[in-house]
Amino acid sequence: GAGVSQSPSNKVTEKGKDVELRCDPISGHTALYWYRQRLGQGLEFLIYFQGNSAPDKSGLPSDRFSAERTGESVSTLTIQRTQQEDSAVYLCASNPTPGLAGDTDTQYFGPGTRLTVL
Amino acid sequence: GNSVTQMEGPVTLSEEAFLTINCTYTATGYPSLFWYVQYPGEGLQLLLKATKADDKGSNKGFEATYRKETTSFHLEKGSVQVSDSAVYFCALIGGFKTIFGAGTRLFVKA
Repeated sequence: GAGVSQSPSNKVTEKGKDVELRCDPISGHTALYWYRQRLGQGLEFLIYFQGNSAPDKSGLPSDRFSAERTGESVSTLTIQRTQQEDSAVYLCASNPTPGLAGDTDTQYFGPGTRLTVL
Repeated sequence: GNSVTQMEGPVTLSEEAFLTINCTYTATGYPSLFWYVQYPGEGLQLLLKATKADDKGSNKGFEATYRKETTSFHLEKGSVQVSDSAVYFCALIGGFKTIFGAGTRLFVKA
């Protein structure tokens, strides 16, 4: 596709339920990031995938959060036993192989998934 | 480790005022520096970037100069418009990972 896509765009769930968020990066982009943005706040890094390397999970706030990515394609972010404080917009971004010449270090963001936990 | 610090908001200006949003960074090596913008209800998008010392990034009337001696990348615009109201994020990429600042919200009044 032309850009990063995320689904669903909105998700309302009840406290304690599991949710799965999806990100389709731009084709050919080897790096993929997940961020969380609470209302009126900045970006909180969650996890980073780079090709087939082990992901950088240092930003995941608890073991209820996990993410997977198969190769250089789709990624899913799973939140188990959701809590009200998980309510936020979850953003995905991708960029081509970083560290190379050219515009390969610019991040391209998806529109986000707005998660509301009741 | 790498980090980015930007001035806290919100910043409120009248139309045609001069804008500066400060950004300083800590990094090993020579990172590339970015400003991203998030307009109300939209996703983040790249505003401008600079990849080496003394480079100036510019776009839509905004400018930022990569100052290695002061480890800064301040965002400036000579005359803001209401349509510039948004959240601005300073960022760097170093070691294959992008680090974002906390964001600065700008309100421009007509």
